[in-house]
Formats: sequence, C-alpha cells, structure tokens
Amino acid sequence: EDQVTQSPEALRLQEGESSSLNCSYTVSGLRGLFWYRQDPGKGPEFLFTLYSAGEEKEKERLKATLTKKESFLHITAPKPEDSATYLCAVQAGNYGQNFVFGPGTRLSVLP
Amino acid sequence: DTEVTQTPKHLVMGMTNKKSLKCEQHMGHRAMYWYKQKAKKPPELMFVYSYEKLSINESVPSRFSPECPNSSLLNLHLHALQPEDSALYLCASSQEARQGSRNSPLHFGNGTRLTVT
Repeated sequence: EDQVTQSPEALRLQEGESSSLNCSYTVSGLRGLFWYRQDPGKGPEFLFTLYSAGEEKEKERLKATLTKKESFLHITAPKPEDSATYLCAVQAGNYGQNFVFGPGTRLSVLP
Repeated sequence: DTEVTQTPKHLVMGMTNKKSLKCEQHMGHRAMYWYKQKAKKPPELMFVYSYEKLSINESVPSRFSPECPNSSLLNLHLHALQPEDSALYLCASSQEARQGSRNSPLHFGNGTRLTVT
C-alpha cells in the first residue's frame, strides 16, 4: 500500500534559522511527488513537482530535492510569512489519479 | 487568488437539510476532485471526475452525491448529513494525464467550511 510520512510534525524556527522538512514515501512506481503550502482556512497552494531521483526545484527561500525514498524541503533564512503547514503528496501506479498526502509539517517562524 | 473557485465559503446546515457545494475552474483541466479535510489532517480523497465521468469514488456515503455538469463545473450535493461530516471541503482540478506521461499537480480552491448542526 502506498504510504507517505512527514517529519517533524511541527517545527518552530527563529527568523533566519534555516532548516529542512522531510517527506518519506513507500510507493510502487512513483509518477510524481508534489509539495504544497497550506495556510489556515485556505486550500493547499502548489509549490513544486519532482519526478525523478536527483531532481531539484527552487523558489525564493524554498528548495525541494528528491531521492528514491524521500524528499526534502529546505527553507533558507525563513521569514514569519513562511509560517504554514507544508504537505507533500505522491502519485503512483500506472495511471493513477489518486494523490496520497502525507500528514504535513506545521512550520512556525518567529520574528 | 486561486484559479479554482468554490462557493459558498461557509455553510451551516441542519441534519435534515439539502444543500450543494459548487466548484468552477477555467484552466481547461479535464480532471476534477472533491477532497474532505478535517482539522490538522491532510486532505482525503472523496471523488474524481475524468472527462466529466466519475472515475473514482472512495467508498463515500450516499449522503454525498457528486455531479459534473460540464468540464468546468463540479457540484457536491449534500443530504441528511451527520455532525461528523463537518469539515473543510476542497475542490481541485488537474490536467488529465495520459498513460505513461508525467502527471500535473492538483490545483485547489480555498474550500467550503461546512458545519453540520
């Protein structure tokens, strides 16, 4: 069965303190790994798609990387506005439309 | 602002009411989804429509009835709900992936916050 876990469950950082979030997955035939940001009361906002091991994507203070078993979301010099829940999701299988979401990491960046 | 629009933003309904949630997208996507999200939990898939046909029903109770009138619209009809159905209901869309091709991401609306009293 496809499974996605994320760690840590919650993370508190000081402004400017860089860190990484982890997404580990067990799927058969990965077709894509997706990172989302979700603010309270809002829908998830798409950040990145990664398709194969070794791939990296960057956007402002965020950088996502992918290996055969996990993905990392690196946050460099975070600001309070980066506070949100970060979700990863995987899509696997031959022709799947089911995106399996991890439980998320709640990030708080303190000024 | 998102490119997937959901109405209403908030809905309070009694257990005997009938109501509908609406979703609209104009990105030309051919797959549309309903997800349910409880507080501090990830989204859970309910239904998927592909080219306006129901392709996935994740064993959702019949008190939830989806409808896809056309490629841009998705409705979720609600009847005789229970208090435990209170949640954020999210609509999403994606480009339909062809077999063997890479999949495009989901694009979410901001959801309807549903409270069942």
